[in-house]
Amino acid sequence: SYELTQPPSVSVSPGQTARITCSADALAKQYAYWYQQKPGQAPVLVIYKDTERPSGIPERFSGSSSGTTVTLTISGVQAEDEADYYCQSADSSGTLVFGGGTKVTVL
Amino acid sequence: QVQLVESGGGLVKPGGSLRLSCAASGFTFSDYYMSWIRQAPGKGLECVSYITSSSSYTNYADSLKGRFTISRDNAKNSLYLQMNSLRAEDTAVYYCARLLGSISAGGYYFDYWGQGTLVTVSS
Repeated sequence: SYELTQPPSVSVSPGQTARITCSADALAKQYAYWYQQKPGQAPVLVIYKDTERPSGIPERFSGSSSGTTVTLTISGVQAEDEADYYCQSADSSGTLVFGGGTKVTVL
Repeated sequence: QVQLVESGGGLVKPGGSLRLSCAASGFTFSDYYMSWIRQAPGKGLECVSYITSSSSYTNYADSLKGRFTISRDNAKNSLYLQMNSLRAEDTAVYYCARLLGSISAGGYYFDYWGQGTLVTVSS
């Protein structure tokens, strides 16, 4: 299998933009997916297939992809966006892999 | 609405066994791949295993070394995880999650998650 690399932490002031990256060679061929996890809760899907947003997820969450790096962007960050964020993908054999997670702190 | 409810967690001694269950409702269970994901205390997420809708294929994390077995009963809308030879490093919250997508479509992902069940391996 392979690894998805995320920064351990990102800090952002309310109303500003947070960007979280996720990198791996396999991302050039496979989609990435993003999950938000708040303390004591199960993860929630916020972005699928690199850029698609599930129903019910606020428009301030968006995804992008460039080569081997995908990015989750939270525009106009709110206090309620403070959480851990995980990227996830699959290799060609079907093994599912998560990134190490990024803690977003709203200052 | 989709609901996934895990059960069967608890305290078990090293070397012991435990069977987790996940009761699904609100969707046609037999149409979907299903999975188990775990999260050790203070750590990240790890996909332990997943199973196809007909049980024809299963996938396991390399770290398990054959100790865990995933299964399902479509008649009972239930998913299971048999865990044997448990170790301290298996201590985690175990989540049941529904799987969508395909390799040909660019990958699999988890669209609904249960609230998890805690497994503690300790003497």
